[in-house]
Amino acid sequence: GQSLEQPSEVTAVEGAIVQINCTYQTSGFYGLSWYQQHDGGAPTFLSYNALDGLEETGRFSSFLSRSDSYGYLLLQELQMKDSASYFCAVRDDKIIFGKGTRLHILP
Amino acid sequence: DVKVTQSSRYLVKRTGEKVFLECVQDMDHENMFWYRQDPGLGLRLIYFSYDVKMKEKGDIPEGYSVSREKKERFSLILESASTNQTSMYLCASNPDRLRETQYFGPGTRLLVL
Repeated sequence: GQSLEQPSEVTAVEGAIVQINCTYQTSGFYGLSWYQQHDGGAPTFLSYNALDGLEETGRFSSFLSRSDSYGYLLLQELQMKDSASYFCAVRDDKIIFGKGTRLHILP
Repeated sequence: DVKVTQSSRYLVKRTGEKVFLECVQDMDHENMFWYRQDPGLGLRLIYFSYDVKMKEKGDIPEGYSVSREKKERFSLILESASTNQTSMYLCASNPDRLRETQYFGPGTRLLVL
């Protein structure tokens, strides 16, 4: 079957760095995406990796290892506004979402 | 800016009613999607469409149907609403199959009594 695994919750301190992991098992694979969703809001696109390696966009970076079927989202210099749920998603014929990781940030 | 709008933010219906959820995007996107989101289950794909009058089943199509008569509009239909269809429904669009970004609407929170 097809599945994406990510931790249900992660807690970190304001100003610190946090990594949210995602492992996937899918029949096909074109790439790994990450989305952010604040409470009551809609998911918004953060990043996409089709090839192995690190993609950086400001304070956020995303990494992919296709051979390990693994990726992560790295958030640096955490701010309180980063408190949200983060979803990884894999595209094969269609897009499959993980169940989401709730990020709690402590002051 | 891409805009995806959904007809209602909140909706209350009775068991057995026929329910229409409308989604409109204003960026001439080819692809449109309907998801439902439930606590602990993430986003699950109900139906999607890569072109006008075209539709494909997602992971949980049972109890739902869709309509795409015009490129900008993708409707989700609950033929006979049931309490287990109480959920948050999210519509999304995407320019084409080569680009990854999905743009989501604000969601419709549906309560079926």
